[in-house]
Amino acid sequence: DAGVTQSPTHLIKTRGQQVTLRCSPKSGHDTVSWYQQALGQGPQFIFQYYEEEERQRGNFPDRFSGHQFPNYSSELNVNALLLGDSALYLCASSLAYGSEQFFGPGTRLTVL
Amino acid sequence: KNQVEQSPQSLIILEGKNCTLQCNYTVSPFSNLRWYKQDTGRGPVSLTIMTFSENTKSNGRYTATLDADTKQSSLHITASQLSDSASYICVVSGGYQKVTFGIGTKLQVIP
Repeated sequence: DAGVTQSPTHLIKTRGQQVTLRCSPKSGHDTVSWYQQALGQGPQFIFQYYEEEERQRGNFPDRFSGHQFPNYSSELNVNALLLGDSALYLCASSLAYGSEQFFGPGTRLTVL
Repeated sequence: KNQVEQSPQSLIILEGKNCTLQCNYTVSPFSNLRWYKQDTGRGPVSLTIMTFSENTKSNGRYTATLDADTKQSSLHITASQLSDSASYICVVSGGYQKVTFGIGTKLQVIP
C-alpha cells in the first residue's frame, strides 16, 4: 500500500500564475481533503471532496478550486497566485464516514 | 468557535529526558482527538487517537491522555530521542468530519 501520494514535491511559481497540485488517496479511501500549512502554523482546511463533489469548504477564496476523479484521486487548483499562497499543501484521505485521516508528504509551493 | 490551543509553542529538552505537551480544546460536539507528529516539510503522521470514553492511549514511548470533562489532552514522551525532534499537532474532530488543528508544539531534542 503506497499510502497517500502527492505530486509534485516542490514547485516554484510567480505571482499571477496558476498551479495544479495532485493527490492519490490511500487504497480503499474515497474522501480527499486539502490543507494549506504556512511556515510555523498548523494546517488550515481548504476543502473536502467525496463522490467527485466538494462536500465541505474552509475559509478560502474562489481562487482555490478542486476536482475529484472517479478513481478518487484529486487535484487542487490555485489561480492568480499571491505571495501569501506560498505554503506546504497537504492532502489527506479517509473513508467517507470514518474520521481518521492519513496525510500525504505534501507539496511545497513557493510563489515569487 | 471551535478552537484547539497547544502549549508550549516550542520546547528544547536533552536527549533521554521526558516531556509533556498540552492541548486544550473547545470543539463541540466532540468525536475524537488525535496527536500527530510532523517532521519539517513532511506530512503529519498519526501517533494516537482517542474517543470520548478513552482516558489514555500509548504508542511506544508516546502516551496520550484525555480528560473530556475539562477538554484537555496531553502527550507524554518518555526517554526522548533525537528523532523525536518535530512538531506535535493536536487535532480534534467534531461532528461529520469537522476537524480543528492546533498550531503545534515544536520540540527539539538536543544531545
